[in-house]
Amino acid sequence: EPEVTQTPSHQVTQMGQEVILRCVPISNHLYFYWYRQILGQKVEFLVSFYNNEISEKSEIFDDQFSVERPDGSNFTLKIRSTKLEDSAMYFCASSQQGAPRGQYFGPGTRLTVT
Amino acid sequence: SQQGEEDPQALSIQEGENATMNCSYKTSINNLQWYRQNSGRGLVHLILIRSNEREKHSGRLRVTLDTSKKSSSLLITASRAADTASYFCATDSIQGAQKLVFGQGTRLTINP
Repeated sequence: EPEVTQTPSHQVTQMGQEVILRCVPISNHLYFYWYRQILGQKVEFLVSFYNNEISEKSEIFDDQFSVERPDGSNFTLKIRSTKLEDSAMYFCASSQQGAPRGQYFGPGTRLTVT
Repeated sequence: SQQGEEDPQALSIQEGENATMNCSYKTSINNLQWYRQNSGRGLVHLILIRSNEREKHSGRLRVTLDTSKKSSSLLITASRAADTASYFCATDSIQGAQKLVFGQGTRLTINP
């Protein structure tokens, strides 16, 4: 069964450094998403992406964040200058075109900012 | 209460029993989805129910949706130890794009 994959599974970085989290969505999906989950808290929406542009973003997704689909398979989330509070599990998700669109999540990348 | 809020927050039952978890939401929705998350792991999509559906089954899972009460329930029948996980409902709004709004989840423990 096709699945969303994410790399790395765990990333440790120092405050102020840039990180890029990578995702490979399911191949016939056209909508892509990033969510995050701070330890012990609920999953929060960050951004949705369709047709090579951001379709919606949350208040969390400020100028420090950016997303890109650099080729036909990868979908990346970049954090320019990480802060301690960026430490969280980051989930990528994808869904097909058309309704209803169940979103399928990757296993997540645990980001630890020290 | 917030969109996609589950209750109870924690549920502990014996293997073989049925587990029922509830979810309430505030705004009009397109769909409601249930996900499972094992400790420290990713989210596994369990089932999606559309706003015009009232009940849906998938294996040992039964989901109901009452749009007049803005609530949903997830029933797991004949529970197994492997069902131990956190369960989240997530809604997508008619007005919004496709973003999902998650609740805090129900932590389900199945005792052998």
